[in-house]
Amino acid sequence: DSGVTQTPKHLITATGQRVTLRCSPRSGDLSVYWYQQSLDQGLQFLIQYYNGEERAKGNILERFSAQQFPDLHSELNLSSLELGDSALYFCASSGGVGTEAFFGQGTRLTVV
Amino acid sequence: QQPVQSPQAVILREGEDAVINCSSSKALYSVHWYRQKHGEAPVFLMILLKGGEQKGHEKISASFNEKKQQSSLYLTASQLSYSGTYFCGTYSGAGSYQLTFGKGTKLSVIP
Repeated sequence: DSGVTQTPKHLITATGQRVTLRCSPRSGDLSVYWYQQSLDQGLQFLIQYYNGEERAKGNILERFSAQQFPDLHSELNLSSLELGDSALYFCASSGGVGTEAFFGQGTRLTVV
Repeated sequence: QQPVQSPQAVILREGEDAVINCSSSKALYSVHWYRQKHGEAPVFLMILLKGGEQKGHEKISASFNEKKQQSSLYLTASQLSYSGTYFCGTYSGAGSYQLTFGKGTKLSVIP
């Protein structure tokens, strides 16, 4: 158990809908990262927060947004969903740059 | 900038050794190694920091050449449980908060 909790584990939704994925980092970790992993592909960096502030942004679609709350949990919002958004979404947490990052179990999103 | 991993895939028999390489075109602050089994979360293996500090599993060894922006992961006396996809992730330095991963190296260990 990495200590990073993601909910829900599975999500099936229709095209055009909006969903929210939740991540609770390990106790004491201030950084949260979000990644998208499509079938048998690599880990595509989406966005990173540190202590509530956005610090880095990858190739995140405009339909996607995220935030980190004062209690350090983070949410990734995906809207106007398309079939191609079906993927595993992982969050990871770390103490900061240069410290090890630990991944949650992921949310498997299926858009039908 | 995404680090480049090689080889893309490798098949080993139990007991054989393998080396997985990771290189970047940018100066690196740290290199992170993970193993992912199909459908599961990536599992932390090791972190190597600029300056020589390393943290990770006792049975895993790796190197980090700061001047060449390269890292290698050494898997010795492989076991069936070593099978999976290995990813290297990199931070490119001060002011960069993006932990970017390579495309992965798929390792298959067969009896």
